Amino acid sequence: KAGVTQTPRYLIKTRGQQVTLSCSPISGHRSVSWYQQTPGQGLQFLFEYFSETQRNKGNFPGRFSGRQFSNSRSEMNVSTLELGDSALYLCASRQGAETEAFFGQGTRLTVV
Amino acid sequence: QKEVEQDPGPLSVPEGAIVSLNCTYSNSAFQYFMWYRQYSRKGPELLMYTYSSGNKEDGRFTAQVDKSSKYISLFIRDSQPSDSATYLCAMRAGNTGKLIFGQGTTLQVKP
Repeated sequence: KAGVTQTPRYLIKTRGQQVTLSCSPISGHRSVSWYQQTPGQGLQFLFEYFSETQRNKGNFPGRFSGRQFSNSRSEMNVSTLELGDSALYLCASRQGAETEAFFGQGTRLTVV
Repeated sequence: QKEVEQDPGPLSVPEGAIVSLNCTYSNSAFQYFMWYRQYSRKGPELLMYTYSSGNKEDGRFTAQVDKSSKYISLFIRDSQPSDSATYLCAMRAGNTGKLIFGQGTTLQVKP
């Protein structure tokens, strides 16, 4: 069974640009969550999608948005990039409400 | 104060030692507790997943949850150099997908 797949693995963008990251969950998993990981703040929750609906949102500005498609694949978008957005962005999927979450390898975003 | 506190280490032990990793938390609503291992430049890998209080064992790993003390532990027996990584505790309340993570403990197992 394939794991959680995130693309691209690495990305370099310029301040002010926007970026879209993609996540394909494990087959059969309907919940996808996104996290930002930085050395200073650690892993922080961005949002969760289940059956194309956002169920939870973390404490991030509106520049961070996401969506989920009918096949459970999810995308995350960051607009008007800032230097502080440089981080490892991780996607996690889980099958149901009481089950564990499995993470992808992440997309490392560098904003210059 | 953070909801989940974890000593960042680093923790250095000789090969074969028993390793004890711990987290404390403040939110009594947390019901699900996890330990993840993360190697450099990789995503977190799930090691243990427990619900409520008690112990769970899987090979060389044992997870303990003490909800009365708001304290969770991960024990690694017969530690190996390949166990050298960052260990993250995580927890959540109810069925939400929102995980709250500790800062992670960096472990080095020396041959």
